[in-house]
Amino acid sequence: QLVLTQSPSASASLGASVKLTCTLSSGHSSYAIAWHQQQPEKGPRYLMRLNSDGSHSKGDGIPDRFSGSSSGAERYLTISSLQSEDEADYYCQTWGTGILVFGGGTKLTVL
Amino acid sequence: QVQLQQWGAGLLKPSETLSLTCAVYGGSFSGYYWNWIRQPPGKGLEWVGQINHSGSTNYNPSLKSRVTISVDTSKNQFSLKLSSVTAADTAVYFCAREGGGSPVGYWGQGTLVTVSS
Repeated sequence: QLVLTQSPSASASLGASVKLTCTLSSGHSSYAIAWHQQQPEKGPRYLMRLNSDGSHSKGDGIPDRFSGSSSGAERYLTISSLQSEDEADYYCQTWGTGILVFGGGTKLTVL
Repeated sequence: QVQLQQWGAGLLKPSETLSLTCAVYGGSFSGYYWNWIRQPPGKGLEWVGQINHSGSTNYNPSLKSRVTISVDTSKNQFSLKLSSVTAADTAVYFCAREGGGSPVGYWGQGTLVTVSS
C-alpha cells in the first residue's frame, strides 16, 4: 500500500535552515513525490516535484531558498534563511496508477 | 498563467448531493489530469478523484461509490458530484491541475462545503 509518512511538527529559528522529511512506504522507494505549502488560512501552493535521484523541478515563482533531496525512501524539503512567512503546513504527495496519496503534513513553526 | 476558479453550493443537508465546478483559464485543457482534493476543518489533504480531457476517471476507493467527476471540454470545466453527504463530508474542496511534473501543480482557491441539518 502506497503511504507517505511525515512528522506532525517541526520548528526552527528565523534565518536558520530546516529539513522536513517525507518517507515512502516499503516497496515504493523509487517513487517521485511533490511538496506543497499551505500557509495559515490559505489554499495549498505547489512547491516542487522531487525524484528519487534528488533531482527536482520547482513551481512558478518558488524561491531558491526551497530545495529538495532524496535518500532511499526518504524525501526531504530544505528551507534555508527561514522567514516568518515560511510558517505553514507542508504536505508531500505521491502518485501511482490511478491513485494519488498525501502525507499527513508537517506543521512548521518559525521561532 | 494557469488559473482555476471553482464554485458550488456551500451548505448542504445530510443525504443531499454535493456539486462543485472548476473552470480553467490559461494553458491547455487537453492532455492533463484534473483532480478534486478535500480538507476537513483542521485536518490534512485527501484526494477525492481525477479525470482527464477524454473522460477517463480514477477515484479514491473510500469514496468511489458516491463520487462522480465529469468534464465539459467545450467550456474548459470539470465537475464533482458527491452523493448522500454526511457531516463527515464537511471540508474545503479544492480543484487542481497537473503541472510542473506533478499530478497536482496548480490549485483552485477552495470552496468550503458544510453539511448540517
